[in-house]
Amino acid sequence: DAGITQSPRYKITETGRQVTLMCHQTWSHSYMFWYRQDLGHGLRLIYYSAAADITDKGEVPDGYVVSRSKTENFPLTLESATRSQTSVYFCASSDSEIRAFFGQGTRLTVV
Amino acid sequence: QQPVQSPQAVILREGEDAVINCSSSKALYSVHWYRQKHGEAPVFLMILLKGGEQKGHEKISASFNEKKQQSSLYLTASQLSYSGTYFCGTLTLEYGNKLVFGAGTILRVKS
Repeated sequence: DAGITQSPRYKITETGRQVTLMCHQTWSHSYMFWYRQDLGHGLRLIYYSAAADITDKGEVPDGYVVSRSKTENFPLTLESATRSQTSVYFCASSDSEIRAFFGQGTRLTVV
Repeated sequence: QQPVQSPQAVILREGEDAVINCSSSKALYSVHWYRQKHGEAPVFLMILLKGGEQKGHEKISASFNEKKQQSSLYLTASQLSYSGTYFCGTLTLEYGNKLVFGAGTILRVKS
């Protein structure tokens, strides 16, 4: 089915561990984004990508790494998870007009 | 870089009208509006491009004043289904395709 999927939907990890959140879209959209959602802050942009092998920092990139070797995939890695990275993470892809379509989100808890 | 939304929250009775505002300190290329229901992903409502156009979607419409870098979302004769959190996203002339969102406006429609 066409769409954008995130995995896992829920994740609990320990402080200091590396965690990778996956995002896959089937529309062949050029643009992809990672956001985190925290109460009171809305959606904050972590990283975005305009095409395969082209990524750029968003508003809150520290502690995160992204890659985009294929157009359809845009994984987000937390190199050494901290409690402050407990959040709901949304991946989105968009067409050329930047109409973003969001995945269902990953709820990450760092203990 | 985040656009500023107001009010933070609003409670309405069915049939009442509401206005949600979004402003930016940066020159805008476009404004995007999304709605998020509790526990779900944000869903695209509409885009307003540079040019001051007004758009409508059933009883939900929006305007964009590019001189003031402001947009307003108008909800007319609100329905229970309008409840949710509304986000404005902006693309600026300075940062290109970096889609940044405001903190959101919580709208609750009561019967």
